[in-house]
Amino acid sequence: EAGVAQSPRYKIIEKRQSVAFWCNPISGHATLYWYQQILGQGPKLLIQFQNNGVVDDSQLPKDRFSAERLKGVDSTLKIQPAKLEDSAVYLCASSLRGNGYTFGSGTRLTVV
Amino acid sequence: GIQVEQSPPDLILQEGANSTLRCNFSDSVNNLQWFHQNPWGQLINLFYIPSGTKQNGRLSATTVATERYSLLYISSSQTTDSGVYFCAVLRDNYGQNFVFGPGTRLSVLP
Repeated sequence: EAGVAQSPRYKIIEKRQSVAFWCNPISGHATLYWYQQILGQGPKLLIQFQNNGVVDDSQLPKDRFSAERLKGVDSTLKIQPAKLEDSAVYLCASSLRGNGYTFGSGTRLTVV
Repeated sequence: GIQVEQSPPDLILQEGANSTLRCNFSDSVNNLQWFHQNPWGQLINLFYIPSGTKQNGRLSATTVATERYSLLYISSSQTTDSGVYFCAVLRDNYGQNFVFGPGTRLSVLP
C-alpha cells in the first residue's frame, strides 16, 4: 500500500512569512495527525482529525497555526506569520485505530 | 498529562553488540509503540506492544504494564540500526493521541 505522502520535503522562509504543508494519508485511514518535531526532541502532537472533524488541537498555537481536512482525506497545515522557533520537522501520520500508525517523511521547515 | 522517560539518552555500540533501551511512563496506558527514526528522519513503526513480549528478527520488546515500563532489545547490532528510538504511549484509545518520549540516540560503529 502507498504510504503517507507529504510535501514539500524542505522549505526555507523568512520570519513573518506564511507557509503551508500538505499531507495525503493512507487510503482508508480515518485518523490524521500533525506533529511538530524540534531538533533533538520527540514529536509533539499539534492537531488530530477524525475524518474531517478535529479531535484534539489543544497544543496547536492557534494565533498562527491552522489546519484543515475538508473532505476527510488530504490535510493542510498553515503557519502565518512564521517565527524563528517554528523551525522544525512537521510530520503527518495516519492510523486506522491506534495501531497501524504510519508517519510520512516530514517537511523540514527552516525560518530565517 | 502522562510523562514518558527514556534511557539512556545516547548509546554508542560496536557492530555485533547487544543493547537494551528502556521506556518508563507515569500512568496506565492502552497502547505503547516503539519507533525508529532513521538518519533521514523517517519514523518507522517497530512494535505495537501495550503488554507482553514480541520479537521481530533481531529486535524484541517487552512491556510490563503493571510496572509502567517497556524494554526494547537489539541483538547483534548493525550500522543500519543507528538512529533515534522513540517510545510513544497512548492514554486512551478514543483520542489515539500519542505522547512521545525524548528518544534514545543509538550509534553503531563498524
